This record gives sequence, C-alpha cells and structure tokens, in this order.
Amino acid sequence: DVKVTQSSRYLVKRTGEKVFLECVQDMDHENMFWYRQDPGLGLRLIYFSYDVKMKEKGDIPEGYSVSREKKERFSLILESASTNQTSMYLCASNPTGASGNTIYFGEGSWLTVV
Amino acid sequence: QQQVKQSPQSLIVQKGGISIINCAYENTAFDYFPWYQQFPGKGPALLIAIRPDVSEKKEGRFTISFNKSAKQFSLHIMDSQPGDSATYFCAASMVSGAQKLVFGQGTRLTINP
Repeated sequence: DVKVTQSSRYLVKRTGEKVFLECVQDMDHENMFWYRQDPGLGLRLIYFSYDVKMKEKGDIPEGYSVSREKKERFSLILESASTNQTSMYLCASNPTGASGNTIYFGEGSWLTVV
Repeated sequence: QQQVKQSPQSLIVQKGGISIINCAYENTAFDYFPWYQQFPGKGPALLIAIRPDVSEKKEGRFTISFNKSAKQFSLHIMDSQPGDSATYFCAASMVSGAQKLVFGQGTRLTINP
C-alpha cells in the first residue's frame, strides 16, 4: 500500500513563527503536492513538485515555500505564520504517467496559529 | 476562481436511499474526473473516477454520470448506508503532466439509520 506520512498531526504556533510541515512518501513517486483544506472551499493547491529540487506554484502560494531535497520528502514552510494560515494541510503524491492519476493523500496536519 | 463547482454543501439521506452529488467544471481541457471520499481525521481517498470517453461508470453501489456537453458530472450512491457518511469531493485534472487535481468545495453526506 502507498503510504504518505505527515509527521505532525496537530500543531499550535504563534503568529510570526516559522513553521515546517514534513511529508514522506514510500512509493518512489515523482510528484508531490501540498494542499490546504478549508470548510466550504474544498482543497486548494499550494505548491507541487515534479522532481527533486523542482517546484511550481499552485493556486495559493502566497505566504508559503517548499523544499524537496530528496525524492521521498516534501516540506511545506510557513516563513512567518499568520492567523489566516490556520487550516488543515494535506500532503499528497502520485507517479508520473498515464497510470498515475490516482493521487494518494496523507492524513493531514492541523495547524492552529494563535 | 473556482474551476470546479460542487453542490450541495451538505446532504442528509435516509438509509437505503440514493445520494446524489453534482459537479460542474469550466476547463474543457480536463480529461480525468475522480471522486474522493474523506472520513473525519483522515485524508481523502480515491473512490471512483471517469474519463470523458464514457458517460457512466459503475463500481458497486457508486456510479459516476458524465455529461461532456454540459460540462457536468455527478456521483450517485445507491442503497446508501450509515458507513457512507463522509465528506465527498469531486475533482478534475488533465491526464498529462503532473495531473494536478482541482477540487470542488466538498459535500458532507450524512446517512440516517
């Protein structure tokens, strides 16, 4: 089974803090994604990466950055956390290619910024 | 802008009834339309998906109906069960490239016993 692991399930951070959300996948997938989930808005893509050290902005990249130094690991960084970044963050991965449409999600990281 | 619009936001159905969730999309380049199911405290998981070359796909009690000309697709859950209570997301993407999914707003489905 594909496993996408988000190491931090619940975090509480103060405004202005630097926050790291870590994600690891064990299926050698080329593509990795960070989504944000908010009630009534669905899932919105923050950033994605299609290869090591490669990244592209999604629909809502403002206030976020990412790092992908190894194929299996994709980190989301909030340089200076703000209260409007309180949300659930979902990491996902999938392989490139016609058979790779299924995107596999982690269980989510609940971030509260106070 | 919301490229995929989903309705209703919430739905209550009696056990044994049919649950219907609708989605509409704007980008005609989309060619892959999955539905994801999410239980509380879990990440979304693929439920069923369809390509635009067919108008319907059925897997057990779950059916996707697809109308290419109207740019709409829907999920039907037959004989709905309490265990189907979850949040459902429709999505769309292009098969080529990284297959970035664009999601609808989600529907919270409750099946009353």
